[in-house]
Amino acid sequence: EAGVAQSPRYKIIEKRQSVAFWCNPISGHATLYWYQQILGQGPKLLIQFQNNGVVDDSQLPKDRFSAERLKGVDSTLKIQPAKLEDSAVYLCASSPLWEREQYFGPGTRLTVT
Amino acid sequence: KQEVTQIPAALSVPEGENLVLNCSFTDSAIYNLQWFRQDPGKGLTSLLLIQSSQREQTSGRLNASLDKSSGRSTLYIAASQPGDSATYLCAVPTGGGNKLTFGTGTQLKVEL
Repeated sequence: EAGVAQSPRYKIIEKRQSVAFWCNPISGHATLYWYQQILGQGPKLLIQFQNNGVVDDSQLPKDRFSAERLKGVDSTLKIQPAKLEDSAVYLCASSPLWEREQYFGPGTRLTVT
Repeated sequence: KQEVTQIPAALSVPEGENLVLNCSFTDSAIYNLQWFRQDPGKGLTSLLLIQSSQREQTSGRLNASLDKSSGRSTLYIAASQPGDSATYLCAVPTGGGNKLTFGTGTQLKVEL
């Protein structure tokens, strides 16, 4: 079974530029999560989708971050404009409907200079 | 608000030693607890998930225990190997949406 796929793996941008990350969850997993992990900290949830609907985006900085999951499968997370403090690893995870265990992708390491 | 704490923050042991990593959480109303491993520059690998009805879960040389009433979980690693060197994170689901609240991790180094 293929795992959670993410791209790109690394991205370096200047502040005020925009960037987008892509995630393809495990086939059949209805729930998709985006987490932000700042160096030395545990991951923090940004947004959770159930199929193509948003379940929780309470910690998403909506003035600059946006995410979508149009067909209930893959998802994109966008930052516009980026700030220095957005430098982090962005992790995507998925889980089957009603199943609790989450499976994580390899992450995208973003550096904002 | 759920808070998850992991002690110690870093640990260095010689190869072959048995070791225990600790995780504590403030809100005991959880339905499971998950332990993850994270290698440098990589994503998270799920190691063990313990349901709230379980006391222990084992996988190979790993054994995780859960005591909901005291808000604690431990991850026991037997006969440690250099390949076990990584950061170990525990996490509990928070809120009805199943979002995970993570600890800050224990960075383990197993030396030859």
